[in-house]
Amino acid sequence: EAGVTQFPSHSVIEKGQTVTLRCDPISGHDNLYWYRRVMGKEIKFLLHFVKESKQDESGMPNNRFLAERTGGTYSTLKVQPAELEDSGVYFCASSQYQGRYDEQFFGPGTRLTVL
Amino acid sequence: AQSVSQHNHHVILSEAASLELGCNYSYGGTVNLFWYVQYPGQHLQLLLKYFSGDPLVKGIKGFEAEFIKSKFSFNLRKPSVQWSDTAEYFCAVNAGAGNNRKLIWGLGTSLAVNP
Repeated sequence: EAGVTQFPSHSVIEKGQTVTLRCDPISGHDNLYWYRRVMGKEIKFLLHFVKESKQDESGMPNNRFLAERTGGTYSTLKVQPAELEDSGVYFCASSQYQGRYDEQFFGPGTRLTVL
Repeated sequence: AQSVSQHNHHVILSEAASLELGCNYSYGGTVNLFWYVQYPGQHLQLLLKYFSGDPLVKGIKGFEAEFIKSKFSFNLRKPSVQWSDTAEYFCAVNAGAGNNRKLIWGLGTSLAVNP
């Protein structure tokens, strides 16, 4: 069974540009999460999809970040325009259930560098 | 506010030494507790988890953790570390009730094991 995949693995862009990150969850997983780790800080939650609906987007930093999950399969996270403080590693995770015994499986992350 | 505190940010041990990494959390309600590990160049993977029942949980690769509710702690232990345990270790918590399972993370502990 394929795990969670993320594309690209690395992205280097200039301030003001746009970047789109993609996450493909494990097949059949309804829940999809985005997290971010800024250098030297803890991993922080960004948002949670259940199928194609946003269950919780309380962690999104500002309106420069837009996440979508069309059709309830893969998800994209777009940053437009990118700022220096957006640099970090963006992780995606998926899980199957919403019950208590839910386990999240993580992708390899996308390392974003904004110059 | 919900938070997770990991006491040791950088740990250096020799092979065969014992390991204990501290984790305390602040969360008002039933919780699920996790330890994740990220080996160099690899993605985050689950080491062990506590949902309910026996507070002493055993994970992969000889790791175990003990949930002490009165101390809000979930410390990770291993009696004898190996060079291959060199990695970054993350403690995380999420709500034990409700539909949102967003993870709240500690800062992480970088473990280096010298051969």
